[in-house]
Amino acid sequence: EIVLTQSPGTLSLSPGERATLSCRASQSVSSSYLAWYQQKPGQAPRLLMYGAASRATGIPDRFSGSGSGTDFTLTISRLEPEDFAVYYCQHYGTSPPMCTFGQGTKLEIK
Amino acid sequence: QLQLQESGPGLVKPSETLSLTCTVSGDSISSGIYYWGWIRQPPGKGLEWIGNIYHSGSSYYNPSLRSRVTISVDTSRNQFSLKLSSVTAADTAVYYCARLLWSLRLMDVWGKGTTVTVSS
Repeated sequence: EIVLTQSPGTLSLSPGERATLSCRASQSVSSSYLAWYQQKPGQAPRLLMYGAASRATGIPDRFSGSGSGTDFTLTISRLEPEDFAVYYCQHYGTSPPMCTFGQGTKLEIK
Repeated sequence: QLQLQESGPGLVKPSETLSLTCTVSGDSISSGIYYWGWIRQPPGKGLEWIGNIYHSGSSYYNPSLRSRVTISVDTSRNQFSLKLSSVTAADTAVYYCARLLWSLRLMDVWGKGTTVTVSS
C-alpha cells in the first residue's frame, strides 16, 4: 500500500511570498495519477493539479506542480490571500486500484 | 452544470448501518469515462477514500473498510449510494461524493458534503 507523506504539516507565509509544498510517496508512483487538491474551511476539496504538472480548469498560473517517482512538489509563486488553505496530494494506484491521500499541508498567513 | 448532492441521516447509532445517497444532476451517471466515488473526512482530520463505482456496477474499495462497505449505483435515478455497516464513533465524518475521471484518476467534481455523527 502506498503512503503519501506531505511536508511541512503547517507552512506560515505572507501574501506575495512563494510557497513550496512537498508530497513524498513510500514507493515510486506514476506521475500520471498524482493530483493536488485545495480545501478551504467548510468547503469540499477543489482539484488544482493533475498528472503532477497540469493545472485543472480555472486554476491560475501561479500554481505549478512538478516531480516524478517518489517526490512531488506544489509551488505557488506569489501567494494571494485566497490561497491560504489546506492542500492535499492524492495518488490512485493501479495494482491494487486504490486511492490514497496525503495527510495535508496547512498554508496559513504569517 | 454538473452537481452532486449527498443526502441521508445526519445521526446514526453505534453498530447500525450508515446509508447515504449521491444524486447527480447535469450529466448522466452512465457516462462511460467516469467512476463515482465516496470520500470522508473526520472532524479536524484529512481525507480518506472509501471507494468508487462504475455505472456497470464495477467497484473498488479501500481495503481498510472493505468488509463494511457497499457502494451501489441506480442509473435510472442517476444516483449512487454508500452503505457502511457496524459503525462506531470513528466513522463520524463529513462524507463527500465525487466524480472520478478514470483516465487520469482524478476527482474533478465534488458534492458539498454531509456530516454524519455516530452516537447513541
